[in-house]
Formats: sequence, structure tokens, C-alpha cells
Amino acid sequence: DSGVTQTPKHLITATGQRVTLRCSPRSGDLSVYWYQQSLDQGLQFLIQYYNGEERAKGNILERFSAQQFPDLHSELNLSSLELGDSALYFCASSLTGGMDEQYFGPGTRLTVT
Amino acid sequence: GQNIDQPTEMTATEGAIVQINCTYQTSGFNGLFWYQQHAGEAPTFLSYNVLDGLEEKGRFSSFLSRSKGYSYLLLKELQMKDSASYLCAVRDLYNFNKFYFGSGTKLNVKP
Repeated sequence: DSGVTQTPKHLITATGQRVTLRCSPRSGDLSVYWYQQSLDQGLQFLIQYYNGEERAKGNILERFSAQQFPDLHSELNLSSLELGDSALYFCASSLTGGMDEQYFGPGTRLTVT
Repeated sequence: GQNIDQPTEMTATEGAIVQINCTYQTSGFNGLFWYQQHAGEAPTFLSYNVLDGLEEKGRFSSFLSRSKGYSYLLLKELQMKDSASYLCAVRDLYNFNKFYFGSGTKLNVKP
């Protein structure tokens, strides 16, 4: 158990819908990362936050948005969902958000039908 | 974009040593990271390298040469549980500090 929690574990929804994925970092960690992993694309970095501020940005689509709240939990919002958004979404946390160990949550499996 | 290249698959014997190579091209190198991922599970962070040289962490070591755009992950005394995918990732300072991942190397450890 990494100490990072993600909810929900599984999510099935229809095209065009909007969903919110939630992540709680390990106690004491200030930085949160979001990743997407699909069979054909591998692991893709989406976005990173540090203490509420955006720190790094990756392949995050405009239909997606994220934020980190004052209590340090983070949410990833996915809207106008497409079949291709079906993937595993991982959250990770680290203490400083720099050159330090990242701890991954168990992931949320999103299926868009 | 960036190019991160790793072998697709490797096979090694229990108890042996295996080296997984990773080559990269990036405009603003800001660290190289290795992750392990067992099938159906979340990735696990293994190591990072910022400066040239070898970083040792138990049975696992990671090496970096920034001038050659090259890294390797060395696994010693292989165990069956080391059968997993190993992902190499590079952070790019000049591109929103983004992580670029290789496709991963699937390591099969046989008895």
C-alpha cells in the first residue's frame, strides 16, 4: 500500500459525459501527478501540481482539467468523453515534486461506451 | 516531441544479471527516472538520475550518461518476482517540465 488513494476504482460511462476522478496523496506529500495509461499509448504524463499550483504540464487534452485543493487532494475532470479516453488513470504523489520518489495510487479504470 | 527508446522485451534467468538500456533525446534534460510495473498493477518508482554516474539501490542500479543520452537499469540476482515491465522516463525542463515515457521493456525471468 503506497498511501495514495484514488476513487473510484472503476468507472463506466457513455460518450459525451463528464466524470471526476479523485486522488488523495500520501500524508505529508505536497505534489500530485496524473498519468494516463492505455494499451496503445503506454504511460502518458498529464499534469503535476505542487501545493495547489500547476508545476508541469504534459499531454493533457483541453477537454480535461485538474486542480489541487488546499487540503492537497486533487481531482481530474474529464469531459465530452470519447471512446479513446478509456484507460487507466493513475495518480502519484511525492514530497517535493522535484527529484524525489513518486508513490502511485492503484488507479481508476475508466471505460467509455 | 522527445525520443525515448528501450528494447521491447528481454528474457533472463533467475539469479543472473540483466541490463535494460534506454536512450533518449531531449532539449532540456531534467532527470531520468525508472519505474517497474507488474501486469495489472500501478507503476512503482525505482530510481532517478540527474548527474552522470551510477546510483545503486540494493539489487537495482541505474546509470546515466547525459552526453550520450543513455541510461541503463541493472538488476542483479534476478528473482522470479522481477518479471515485469520497466519504464524509462525523461523530464524536459524546456517543455513545461513534462515527463516523456518510453514504451517499456517487458522482462521475463525464467527458472
